[in-house]
Amino acid sequence: GNSVTQMEGPVTLSEEAFLTINCTYTATGYPSLFWYVQYPGEGLQLLLKATKADDKGSNKGFEATYRKETTSFHLEKGSVQVSDSAVYFCALFSSNTGFQKLVFGTGTRLL
Amino acid sequence: IAGITQAPTSQILAAGRRMTLRCTQDMRHNAMYWYRQDLGLGLRLIHYSNTAGTTGKGEVPDGYSVSRANTDDFPLTLASAVPSQTSVYFCASKRDRNTDTQYFGPGTRLTVL
Repeated sequence: GNSVTQMEGPVTLSEEAFLTINCTYTATGYPSLFWYVQYPGEGLQLLLKATKADDKGSNKGFEATYRKETTSFHLEKGSVQVSDSAVYFCALFSSNTGFQKLVFGTGTRLL
Repeated sequence: IAGITQAPTSQILAAGRRMTLRCTQDMRHNAMYWYRQDLGLGLRLIHYSNTAGTTGKGEVPDGYSVSRANTDDFPLTLASAVPSQTSVYFCASKRDRNTDTQYFGPGTRLTVL
């Protein structure tokens, strides 16, 4: 079945450090891939997405590239800020099954 | 523009009590979802509805029921709460079942004692 694996956290960085949060997936067909962010005490917000191989999603300085050959969608940011502290969820959406739904990773906390 | 609202924000509930979590969206989205979020487990789908009048079971439906009488509202009911239902509950919606982007409400933190 479809699944998403994220690196375990927490990830602790100094301000202006480079961020990478790894995400790999298993899916049949060509899923859409997402990163959602959850700030303390809030719901999930869509951060960025990519819908096909080699697409790069970007938003607020964050980037992720859809790599079909490595089944990965790693999240990167060149210079993190204190305000980026949150939990980040990688997710995939596959419409090639009878029930279309989002599949989430377990989340990675960034401090 | 409110998006998705959930009520209550938080609740402490005695085991065995009945509880309904409310979810309302103003985006005229056809598809709606209920998730629970537990530490180390990410988000797990409880129930979903692809359109008003229809509902379906997700990964962890036991102990929960839903209804979808209209497009905007999607309440989640715990008929007889148990401590293992202590969690944060998120409602979500999207335009239709084939759309990939989901929008989430702010969540309800439920504690069952």
